[in-house]
Amino acid sequence: DAGVIQSPRHEVTEMGQEVTLRCKPISGHNSLFWYRQTMMRGLELLIYFNNNVPIDDSGMPEDRFSAKMPNASFSTLKIQPSEPRDSAVYFCASSLIRSSGELFFGEGSRLTVL
Amino acid sequence: GESVGLHLPTLSVQEGDNSIINCAYSNSASDYFIWYKQESGKGPQFIIDIRSNMDKRQGQRVTVLLNKTVKHLSLQIAATQPGDSAVYFCAEIIMNRDDKIIFGKGTRLHILP
Repeated sequence: DAGVIQSPRHEVTEMGQEVTLRCKPISGHNSLFWYRQTMMRGLELLIYFNNNVPIDDSGMPEDRFSAKMPNASFSTLKIQPSEPRDSAVYFCASSLIRSSGELFFGEGSRLTVL
Repeated sequence: GESVGLHLPTLSVQEGDNSIINCAYSNSASDYFIWYKQESGKGPQFIIDIRSNMDKRQGQRVTVLLNKTVKHLSLQIAATQPGDSAVYFCAEIIMNRDDKIIFGKGTRLHILP
């Protein structure tokens, strides 16, 4: 298996632009998670899905952030409009079942907003 | 190492020695604990987990100890190797509630030659 695939690996954009991050979870995994990692706040859970349905989005910072999972093999995290404070590494992870502590992380998408 | 910050606690250990990484958790309702390892430029990787009804679990070269009385978790790595250099995170879950996995701040393990 190729593991969790994220794209892009790096993105540099200007404040106000729309950013879309993409994730392909491991085939057969039922849960998908989006995390953000920064120096100051560490790894923060933004949102997670179970069977393509959002279960908890309480970690999404504000309305500028949105996430979708249209099918079992694809998810997006969108930031519109982006701000410099959104600069971080965004990780997608998947797990076989909802309550599993074993998450499989992608390599991350490093976002820099100028 | 750009994915984690410069202000993490750091543990420096001589190659071949044993390492002990500690973690304090805050939620007494947490009933499942996990250790992750994050190498530079990569996503976190699962190492070992332990349920709250256990106080010790062993894997290959790693042992996790859980002390629920003081809400303390530790990861012991035997015969530390250069490849063990990474940031280590503990994580906790409250099962059958929201099942969210909450990560701690992390500890950087530095292996001395």
